[in-house]
Amino acid sequence: AQTVTQSQPEMSVQEAETVTLSCTYDTSESDYYLFWYKQPPSRQMILVIRQEAYKQQNATENRFSVNFQKAAKSFSLKISDSQLGDAAMYFCAYRRGQGGSEKLVFGKGTKLTVNP
Amino acid sequence: DAGVIQSPRHEVTEMGQEVTLRCKPISGHNSLFWYRQTMMRGLELLIYFNNNVPIDDSGMPEDRFSAKMPNASFSTLKIQPSEPRDSAVYFCASSRDFAKNIQYFGAGTRLSVL
Repeated sequence: AQTVTQSQPEMSVQEAETVTLSCTYDTSESDYYLFWYKQPPSRQMILVIRQEAYKQQNATENRFSVNFQKAAKSFSLKISDSQLGDAAMYFCAYRRGQGGSEKLVFGKGTKLTVNP
Repeated sequence: DAGVIQSPRHEVTEMGQEVTLRCKPISGHNSLFWYRQTMMRGLELLIYFNNNVPIDDSGMPEDRFSAKMPNASFSTLKIQPSEPRDSAVYFCASSRDFAKNIQYFGAGTRLSVL
């Protein structure tokens, strides 16, 4: 079974600085997708960024980027120029590729605090 | 476009009562997912439907839980009878085939069973 591990229960960063959240996963599949979701205090799960395993290029979305290391099964999220609104729980998630189960397997999350 | 709509937002009930959670997926989406979030277990899939058919219900805890999707625009998750250990946030999510495999989540229902 696939597992997702987030080893940092909590992280903090100063406003305008950069922070990296770690995620590792375990799978025997070669085709899969990886996601980072953000959950602010409002509880809403919001997609931050998505990566397809067959793409070598790291995904980026504005201030958010990933470092995808397929051989190491690592998928870290970098947040640049951190803003107060980035404070939230961040969840790393895995999904098998086409033809497999559509369910997302989540890590336990990292609570990010942004200090003014 | 409206997102995934869940109701109620909060539910407080007493042990032994029946609880029904509701979800309206995004129009045009053909997969629907029910997840449960607890401090102990994190986020875990309970069941998901594709084209209104249950595909994977291996996460449903026990017979007290049941889910239905009578049509493409509505799903329910029912707990009968409810127990205090069912207290959690229940999320519904939907996605569309061949659309980047992105699941869009509702705001969740916080269930408290006293």
